[in-house]
Amino acid sequence: EIVLTQSPGTLSLSPGERATLSCRASQSVSSSYLAWYQQKPGQAPRLLIYGASSRATGIPDRFSGSGSGTDFTLTISRLEPEDFAVYYCQQYGSSQETFGQGTKVEIK
Amino acid sequence: EVQLVESGGGLVQPGGSLRLSCAASGFTFSSYWMHWVRQAPGKGLVWVSRINSDGSSTSYADSVKGRFTISRDNAKNTLYLQMNSLRAEDTAVYYCARGGTGYRNWGQGTLVTVSS
Repeated sequence: EIVLTQSPGTLSLSPGERATLSCRASQSVSSSYLAWYQQKPGQAPRLLIYGASSRATGIPDRFSGSGSGTDFTLTISRLEPEDFAVYYCQQYGSSQETFGQGTKVEIK
Repeated sequence: EVQLVESGGGLVQPGGSLRLSCAASGFTFSSYWMHWVRQAPGKGLVWVSRINSDGSSTSYADSVKGRFTISRDNAKNTLYLQMNSLRAEDTAVYYCARGGTGYRNWGQGTLVTVSS
């Protein structure tokens, strides 16, 4: 099983600031199979990024993904009030898919 | 519009069984892999199981292997999760999700509580 470790656990930022979230895998993940999700309280997750760097339909361009191998990054260029939420990375390229433990982006 | 609607959750005693269903609409169900993901109260997302488009191939997380069975009925556009030998640690909201390049569509979830 590929273990995904997200850091930091919590990110305290102000609206307008840049957020950089990290996802590190215990073994190499094909870039085609790395996704990022946003989840708000009481809601199902929403797909933001797939294939490590492709934005899903309707996702604003302030969200971007990068990385390869074992190190991946989600960047939110300028935080909007609606971006404060929990973010998860996921690998879906192996027989047992896995999620990271999540990074909470909170208002400072 | 793609819709995924889970049902079948509830309160069950340890060692008991439950079958979850996920009714799909708005897309060609038989063309997509489908997944179950769970989330314990206040915790993160955990992948549970997946099934390929025709139901011939399945995969499970180690934590549920041998206890849970995923299946689908493409004629009824419905995904299932049979859960046996339930434990307290299986308590969670269970989501079904449509596969592909990432999980683009999710249901609203159904709560399973395992408690005596």
